[in-house]
Formats: sequence, C-alpha cells, structure tokens
Amino acid sequence: GQNIDQPTEMTATEGAIVQINCTYQTSGFNGLFWYQQHAGEAPTFLSYNVLDGLEEKGRFSSFLSRSKGYSYLLLKELQMKDSASYLCAVRDDMRFGAGTRLTVKP
Amino acid sequence: GAVVSQHPSWVICKSGTSVKIECRSLDFQATTMFWYRQFPKQSLMLMATSNEGSKATYEQGVEKDKFLINHASLTLSTLTVTSAHPEDSSFYICSARDLPGGRYNEQFFGPGTRLTVL
Repeated sequence: GQNIDQPTEMTATEGAIVQINCTYQTSGFNGLFWYQQHAGEAPTFLSYNVLDGLEEKGRFSSFLSRSKGYSYLLLKELQMKDSASYLCAVRDDMRFGAGTRLTVKP
Repeated sequence: GAVVSQHPSWVICKSGTSVKIECRSLDFQATTMFWYRQFPKQSLMLMATSNEGSKATYEQGVEKDKFLINHASLTLSTLTVTSAHPEDSSFYICSARDLPGGRYNEQFFGPGTRLTVL
C-alpha cells in the first residue's frame, strides 16, 4: 500500500507562481502522476514523472525525487482558470490522497 | 491523446434497482482499469482495480457483491451497482492505462457517471 500527502488548500494570486507538494510512501514505484480536476468533472492528465528531476511542459512543471519520496507541481503565470484541485498518485496502485484545492485570486 | 469513454454519463434510478456503468478505452488496449467513487468536495476514492480476464481487486471496505466488476475484454470494463440505495449516489469514474510498452504512458480518466438513487 501507499500513503499520499498533499496540502489541503492553497491560495495564490493571478500571474504568480505556486508550488504544490506531494510526498508519498510506497512499497513499489514506477512513476508518479499529476492530475487537475475541476469541480464536477473528471481529472485531466498533467504530467508523469518516472525519473528524478524536473519535467517542464508549458506553464506547468513537475519535479520528482525518488530517494525522498517527494514530488511537486509548479504552476507559473497563474490564471483564474487554474483554480481547481490538483491530485498526485503513484502509478503502481493509483490511489489518490485528499488532493490540493488551489484558489487563484485576481 | 487517448480517450476513455463512460456510459451513461448520468443515471437516475429507484432504490433497489441495479445500474451498470461501462468504461471503454477507445484507441488503446487496457489490461488494467480502475474504478473510483467521488463524493462532493472529496477526493477520488479507489474502489477496485479491474484486470482483464481475472477477478477484480477490491479496496478494503468496498463490498464486492454490491459493486460487481467485469473486465471481459481489453477495451471494456463494467461496474454494476446492485440493489442501489440513496447512499450509493455519487460520481463514479473509471481510469485506464495502455498495455506495457504501448503508445501511452499516461493513465487516462473517463468523463465520469453521476448516479442518483431515489
């Protein structure tokens, strides 16, 4: 089994940068996913990290440290539409934690 | 990107009836599909892992006789909520991944099925 830990809520200002952390404890590891979920909708895929380091994809980047059981999602140039829940999950069993609800304010 | 579909997108039923939800991977084959339930303002709760050609693996606390899962082909898994009750009203979402070595590394989610039991 595994445990996923994320901050429950975060607030940031439009145009700013925000980092959402995810720590995990797992018996096996074959990669970590980040998803975005707007209220009432299914999650949409953001990133997949399997090796240590930073993966950049437009305004969103994701970082992984396997030795520390740690990942973060970095959102740059925040927009109002980025207000959503952000979820991380380890590929091996796809269990999610509580997720981080991000609110972007003008 | 790959597409996972779910049918129906919403359903309203009477208490005591059974409801079947289908999850299909449209442009890849999936040996493993996952079924989740989500209550308002809560995170996704994994109910079971569905494996093609074998029995599903249920999470602790999920009744396998109430939530029947069938993964009969590499593109289709079904979840049947048997003898549904109002407390089963929820958003049910499936997720699927491509075969090992396949085109996609990502895990894709279906659009979800909103079940309301009266």
